[in-house]
Amino acid sequence: RKEVEQDPGPFNVPEGATVAFNCTYSNSASQSFFWYRQDCRKEPKLLMSVYSSGNEDGRFTAQLNRASQYISLLIRDSKLSDSATYLCVVDNQFYFGTGTSLTVIP
Amino acid sequence: DGGITQSPKYLFRKEGQNVTLSCEQNLNHDAMYWYRQDPGQGLRLIYYSQIVNDFQKGDIAEGYSVSREKKESFPLTVTSAQKNPTAFYLCASSNEGVTGELFFGEGSRLTVL
Repeated sequence: RKEVEQDPGPFNVPEGATVAFNCTYSNSASQSFFWYRQDCRKEPKLLMSVYSSGNEDGRFTAQLNRASQYISLLIRDSKLSDSATYLCVVDNQFYFGTGTSLTVIP
Repeated sequence: DGGITQSPKYLFRKEGQNVTLSCEQNLNHDAMYWYRQDPGQGLRLIYYSQIVNDFQKGDIAEGYSVSREKKESFPLTVTSAQKNPTAFYLCASSNEGVTGELFFGEGSRLTVL
């Protein structure tokens, strides 16, 4: 079983839509959680950390559900510039999901 | 500006040749990492180093070697023992025990002919 699993997508959504991604992790002792964004053929960049109480940054909301061992990312009012692959990362750099591909359509 | 520099960006090599990828950071980070990314896949950890003169194997270390003689530098050698070396290689660094954010270089794309 993989340490971190994501639905690879692709997710194709119209501009202005709300889209959500989930990521499950296998180690119940995991302590740190992150969402990274990766554009095509570029390096990943931190989008946001995920805190136990949930956190929001503009149109982006991240949540952690320890009981079910998953983290989620919600993007509201999708923009064309949100098109990218979104990677979830668990336990401080060591475990990456395969990424979820998002394409926002005009 | 502070950051991580990887070189070369693109590299072609013949089978049986070793190649070394450079990674330099001026962020004063203690920890450095090498990942490999294949098409449609996530990042897989090759090696990491949390302090100078010390490094540990990641999940896919076979066929690779590293050194950490200086805090700023963490070169990766892809040896001829690596059976499928064509991939996108990413170097990263972080301040261990702080936010845990990884800062990545722009990557090196290795193609074996």
